[in-house]
Amino acid sequence: QKEVEQDPGPLSVPEGAIVSLNCTYSNSAFQYFMWYRQYSRKGPELLMYTYSSGNKEDGRFTAQVDKSSKYISLFIRDSQPSDSATYLCATLNTNAGKSTFGDGTTLTVKP
Amino acid sequence: DTEVTQTPKHLVMGMTNKKSLKCEQHMGHRAMYWYKQKAKKPPELMFVYSYEKLSINESVPSRFSPECPNSSLLNLHLHALQPEDSALYLCASSQEEGRYEQYFGPGTRLTVT
Repeated sequence: QKEVEQDPGPLSVPEGAIVSLNCTYSNSAFQYFMWYRQYSRKGPELLMYTYSSGNKEDGRFTAQVDKSSKYISLFIRDSQPSDSATYLCATLNTNAGKSTFGDGTTLTVKP
Repeated sequence: DTEVTQTPKHLVMGMTNKKSLKCEQHMGHRAMYWYKQKAKKPPELMFVYSYEKLSINESVPSRFSPECPNSSLLNLHLHALQPEDSALYLCASSQEEGRYEQYFGPGTRLTVT
């Protein structure tokens, strides 16, 4: 079983839609939960992170972590064509010193 | 400057060649990473350097040899690679090892023929 499982997609939505991207994880030791965005032929870029449970909002993006159910979500409001990319969830156990990535979900926002 | 640079952008090499990938950052980060990413897959950690010392080797075959000449530079020496080693090789850095925020370079797209 993978330590981080991500809804595979791909996902195609019309411009302006609300997008929900989801991951589950198995290791209770994970403390940080991140979302990276990767455009085609580029390296991943950190979009948001959350420490422990709760919500974090940044503009049109909201990251949510529920440690009781080991569930991670990223919501994108008013999606734009420029949001078209692959989104990778990732978790970090600071004691192990390395991040574990989900497989990624490719999102296409159509104008 | 929050940039990690990688050279070359593309590399085609034969199975008997020796080549090197280069990564540079000037953010004062003390941890640097090599990842391998195949198409439609997540980055897979290969090596971690912390304070210029190898901290993690994820059981990578010896045909990949990392080197950290100083705190800003990270190299990956390649020798006798196989076609299945063709992938995007990503370098990343973070302030310290084990930090949540990693800055990734654009990658080197490697093709082994």
